[in-house]
Amino acid sequence: AAGVIQSPRHLIKEKRETATLKCYPIPRHDTVYWYQQGPGQDPQFLISFYEKMQSDKGSIPDRFSAQQFSDYHSELNMSSLELGDSALYFCASSLEGGSSYEQYFGPGTRLTVT
Amino acid sequence: AQKVTQAQTEISVVEKEDVTLDCVYETRDTTYYLFWYKQPPSGELVFLIRRNSFDEQNEISGRYSWNFQKSTSSFNFTITASQVVDSAVYFCALSEVAQGAQKLVFGQGTRLTINP
Repeated sequence: AAGVIQSPRHLIKEKRETATLKCYPIPRHDTVYWYQQGPGQDPQFLISFYEKMQSDKGSIPDRFSAQQFSDYHSELNMSSLELGDSALYFCASSLEGGSSYEQYFGPGTRLTVT
Repeated sequence: AQKVTQAQTEISVVEKEDVTLDCVYETRDTTYYLFWYKQPPSGELVFLIRRNSFDEQNEISGRYSWNFQKSTSSFNFTITASQVVDSAVYFCALSEVAQGAQKLVFGQGTRLTINP
């Protein structure tokens, strides 16, 4: 079965650069979630989209923005990168606005800021 | 506010021992979902189980079993006859039911090491 696809899988950037992470949800899933997992920490919710509209927002820095496109894929844009942004970024998708209560996680994008 | 606590930061046992990972949660909602995820060294999050707040039946899946006790707000996970491949970080998570999307709130994770 198709799973959540994230690209790139690994990304190395320098401080103050910009990064764009992409997420392709499972076909027909209408909701996308973004989580950030710092080294040795638990995943923290950043933002979610349902039917291309932002549905919830967590502790996402103002330097980050995200959107969900008409084909339901989502992009997380990160500007003015800081060393502390180095983390594993997960995208998850679900069906029917999350009413199935099951989020399917992608493999993650490991971002390293040097 | 939602909160999930996994008091055990690290557990180390010898292969074939049974091990229980504790999870305690806080929520004001009467309807919610609880999850366990496994994160092996490769980094992906592997879904293990989902339980809704109205279903307090314990569940067993092979060597894995889960004990959900609403009275103590706990959702503990037991691995029977542990194996080296069970070594991973395990996360307990909570999701409240609401309109639209439901974010997951994770516990701090328990790093489980199974020694041969």
